[in-house]
Amino acid sequence: SAVISQKPSRDICQRGTSLTIQCQVDSQVTMMFWYRQQPGQSLTLIATANQGSEATYESGFVIDKFPISRPNLTFSTLTVSNMSPEDSSIYLCSVGGLGRIYNEQFFGPGTRLTVL
Amino acid sequence: DQQVKQNSPSLSVQEGRISILNCDYTNSMFDYFLWYKKYPAEGPTFLISISSIKDKNEDGRFTVFLNKSAKHLSLHIVPSQPGDSAVYFCAASSNSNSGYALNFGKGTSLLVTP
Repeated sequence: SAVISQKPSRDICQRGTSLTIQCQVDSQVTMMFWYRQQPGQSLTLIATANQGSEATYESGFVIDKFPISRPNLTFSTLTVSNMSPEDSSIYLCSVGGLGRIYNEQFFGPGTRLTVL
Repeated sequence: DQQVKQNSPSLSVQEGRISILNCDYTNSMFDYFLWYKKYPAEGPTFLISISSIKDKNEDGRFTVFLNKSAKHLSLHIVPSQPGDSAVYFCAASSNSNSGYALNFGKGTSLLVTP
């Protein structure tokens, strides 16, 4: 596995503002993903963060709202732009392709975002 | 559309007894299944997984069973311990979608009572 940290761990923001969430891994990883968990819901994939190229977004998520950077194999950021109360969620990064099973993913501790 | 379903939002079991958590899926392309455990204020922790070529995988107190024809899997915890109290998420992936991205159920909150 890997040690994954996220910053900030939580934040309370005003609507219309933006927040950038950082994900740092202690080793180089092939795959990094960003998920969202809205209250009472399952984890939903936002996008796959691709190193050196644009992220691959899932249906319902767009780059203008959730710009993602991945400058190297250990770091990625997710920005939640022009926030509204509906963006209040836990945002999680995960990494994959580490162990003998390529599908297994390991998650960071999450960032709890509240938008007022 | 929820492709992975955990129909029981909560489960309460006495310490020492068996806990059985269930999961159903609709996408026949899923070929790898995982269970994660999540404590409050922490990210999900990988617990156990199973490939679609198997019907059982065991790791200590945890066993996952897969019934492909029924598109159903279950996680058995024997014996259950109070420290097992957490939310358990079932997840599924397919090598043909989103580069191994995971599809999650909504989770089952397990409470193990002394």
